[in-house]
Amino acid sequence: GAVVSQHPSWVICKSGTSVKIECRSLDFQATTMFWYRQFPKQSLMLMATSNEGSKATYEQGVEKDKFLINHASLTLSTLTVTSAHPEDSSFYICSSAVGNQPQHFGDGTRLSIL
Amino acid sequence: EDKVVQSPLSLVVHEGDTVTLNCSYEVTNFRSLLWYKQEKKAPTFLFMLTSSGIEKKSGRLSSILDKKELFSILNITATQTGDSAIYLCAVGGGGTSYGKLTFGQGTILTVHP
Repeated sequence: GAVVSQHPSWVICKSGTSVKIECRSLDFQATTMFWYRQFPKQSLMLMATSNEGSKATYEQGVEKDKFLINHASLTLSTLTVTSAHPEDSSFYICSSAVGNQPQHFGDGTRLSIL
Repeated sequence: EDKVVQSPLSLVVHEGDTVTLNCSYEVTNFRSLLWYKQEKKAPTFLFMLTSSGIEKKSGRLSSILDKKELFSILNITATQTGDSAIYLCAVGGGGTSYGKLTFGQGTILTVHP
């Protein structure tokens, strides 16, 4: 099945820093990848849909300039949290799927902003 | 707006008990309903359901979908402490983004020895 690799798994940084998270599909070409955010003991909230070679589609309430998504190749999508603040601390997860197959998730990135 | 509601939100049982988790949905252009199990990291896939009335089974876990009443259940028999996790229901459908999933709030299952 589809394998998705996400890196880094854990980031701690100072307020004002920009953080980049990478999501790679290891065994298939992903024209579409998804980025989610999850707060403790809550469900996954879709932030944006990342489309290879075009602009990402953001969900309502998600700031495009805050959460920059780049999907330059069929195997890599990146999420950059710009000028991160403590309220951006969360668990960020990417996923991808091929055709009608179920989405498979990366292991997630735990972001802690001090 | 697409909506997925899970119940109960949390459940505490003892090993050996049987549990039933519920998921109801309102989604335009329904394609599939998926169940995931999440422990410490990202969700792991359990089942994908697309047709009504056909039970899917994997060991002690089983699930079924009712597209007329717009709900699904996930059953776990003879629960073990390793079943403790958040169980997420997600529905695919609607919108212009193929593959987009709407998640329910999740059910936190705790199994005591």
